[in-house]
Amino acid sequence: GAGVSQSPRYKVAKRGQDVALRCDPISGHVSLFWYQQALGQGPEFLTYFQNEAQLDKSGLPSDRFFAERPEGSVSTLKIQRTQQEDSAVYLCASSLNPGEAYEQYFGPGTRLTVT
Amino acid sequence: QKEVEQDPGPLSVPEGAIVSLNCTYSNSAFQYFMWYRQYSRKGPELLMYTYSSGNKEDGRFTAQVDKSSKYISLFIRDSQPSDSATYLCAKWSSFGGSRLTFGEGTQLTVNP
Repeated sequence: GAGVSQSPRYKVAKRGQDVALRCDPISGHVSLFWYQQALGQGPEFLTYFQNEAQLDKSGLPSDRFFAERPEGSVSTLKIQRTQQEDSAVYLCASSLNPGEAYEQYFGPGTRLTVT
Repeated sequence: QKEVEQDPGPLSVPEGAIVSLNCTYSNSAFQYFMWYRQYSRKGPELLMYTYSSGNKEDGRFTAQVDKSSKYISLFIRDSQPSDSATYLCAKWSSFGGSRLTFGEGTQLTVNP
């Protein structure tokens, strides 16, 4: 079956531009997560949705980062006024239900480069 | 101190070798322990997870958790060049907001 998909796969933004990254989770998965992965590091948690509700946004690094999942399926991570330190791979993951969120399935990621 | 510590390597072994990958963790509240494999420019792929202590085997892969020493291991038998990837350990707790907490990954190369 179809896995988690993300678009675009690569994004180059000039410093100060706004970007929007899209995630399509596995159909029927209730939980959706965003992670940020710097080069040579493990993924770091950004935010978590259960259906359309954003239950945890404690990992978002600044108020320039905003995520939404308005209909409980597709999610968008938006970064305003991008900075060079935002350059990273942004990973989306989904799991079937909150009680089994130890089983998270990841998309291929969006590689963001801010110049 | 990071919650999950992992030796980043790199680790290079000949084909057919037994590979041992290890992590330590600091918070005993975590219940599940996972191993992910990540190929270059791909997303992490869940290999296996274990609950609490003990071993779990899946083909050439064995995951081991020792809660008394807070140690997590992944063993790969008869390693293949296709096993060359970065291996990430992670832990999860239902009390921790459902997020995964990752180590920094170990880069493995299996040479033919």
